[in-house]
Amino acid sequence: DQQVKQNSPSLSVQEGRISILNCDYTNSMFDYFLWYKKYPAEGPTFLISISSIKDKNEDGRFTVFLNKSAKHLSLHIVPSQPGDSAVYFCAAKNTNAGKSTFGDGTTLTVKP
Amino acid sequence: DSGVTQTPKHLITATGQRVTLRCSPRSGDLSVYWYQQSLDQGLQFLIQYYNGEERAKGNILERFSAQQFPDLHSELNLSSLELGDSALYFCASSGGGTYNEQFFGPGTRLTVL
Repeated sequence: DQQVKQNSPSLSVQEGRISILNCDYTNSMFDYFLWYKKYPAEGPTFLISISSIKDKNEDGRFTVFLNKSAKHLSLHIVPSQPGDSAVYFCAAKNTNAGKSTFGDGTTLTVKP
Repeated sequence: DSGVTQTPKHLITATGQRVTLRCSPRSGDLSVYWYQQSLDQGLQFLIQYYNGEERAKGNILERFSAQQFPDLHSELNLSSLELGDSALYFCASSGGGTYNEQFFGPGTRLTVL
């Protein structure tokens, strides 16, 4: 049973446009959510997070939205840049349990 | 540079063999996590240690084991290797806080022939 799902394996957008990456979860005990970015031949790096007490968190070009009732979160990147091309992993955590559960990732390609 | 180091970077071995992967966490981080990523799939959580003790366990095979030493470095031991164990193995570390993100090492690519 996959508790964190990223249903789009890939996404291609034009430079300057908005990129929207989606993530769904099933475990209602998850109360903290994170996005990581991964370049080839490197480990994932933390991008942005959101607690379940919020519905939006913004950091520069990156905004994460959380819809608890739908058990859905999304990452918006505006404007998208070619350097944003990477694999993006969504992760969810029950802060009482400690470990994070990762989705399978979405490969974002930003075309110049 | 995340501050997490993993050795070796690449490892090629044969079926039935045993290997040890090593991870040094960021300075001050007490938690170490191990993940397996096979063929562009997601990150499968294997196991977490906190200050030397096992904290959480994922879908880790019985042929795999791990430990965290007093100096906080961790080793992941994989034995009786099979072709399907070929994967990238990532180590991550984090501080003790509830909301701390994980910092990942560059990974060890294991190839079983």
